[in-house]
Amino acid sequence: QKEVEQNSGPLSVPEGAIASLNCTYSDRVSQSFFWYRQYSGKSPELIMSIYSNGDKEDGRFTAQLNKASQYVSLLIRDSQPSDSATYLCAVNPWNDYKLSFGAGTTVTVRA
Amino acid sequence: NAGVTQTPKFRILKIGQSMTLQCAQDMNHNYMYWYRQDPGMGLKLIYYSVGAGITDKGEVPNGYNVSRSTTEDFPLRLELAAPSQTSVYFCASSYIPGDQPQHFGDGTRLSIL
Repeated sequence: QKEVEQNSGPLSVPEGAIASLNCTYSDRVSQSFFWYRQYSGKSPELIMSIYSNGDKEDGRFTAQLNKASQYVSLLIRDSQPSDSATYLCAVNPWNDYKLSFGAGTTVTVRA
Repeated sequence: NAGVTQTPKFRILKIGQSMTLQCAQDMNHNYMYWYRQDPGMGLKLIYYSVGAGITDKGEVPNGYNVSRSTTEDFPLRLELAAPSQTSVYFCASSYIPGDQPQHFGDGTRLSIL
């Protein structure tokens, strides 16, 4: 089983809709969770971090964490064409210096 | 505020050649990482360092070497380049792993022909 798995893409949503990205992880004691956005040909950039159960909102982005279910998600509300990118889920296991990355989910927002 | 700086941005090597990818950060981060990303794939960890003088292997270290003589610099050495090493290489750094995210450089796009 992969350490971090993301829902397979690509995900195509119309402009203005909600894009929902899911991520599950295998290490039950993971402590920190991050969502990175990567535009084609560019480096990953952090868009959200979440450390405790529940929801965290930042503008049009909402991250949701459920440690009991080992599940973290990212919602993009009012999707814009500029949101078209690959979204990487990253998990930091307890007492580890490294991040485990998922393979990414590519989102395309249709105008 | 430069963040993480990688050089060069692009490079073409011939099979069997060697080169060093440079990475420097000005955020006083102790932790630094090298990843490779093949087309359409996720990030694979090559090597990482928890401080000057301390390095360790990641998931795919074969064919690469690293050194960390200062907090700021973390170069990646390719010896005897092979076509399988054609990839985009990202360097990243962080202050406290788990507490804070990793910051990425712009990447080096490397082709081995």
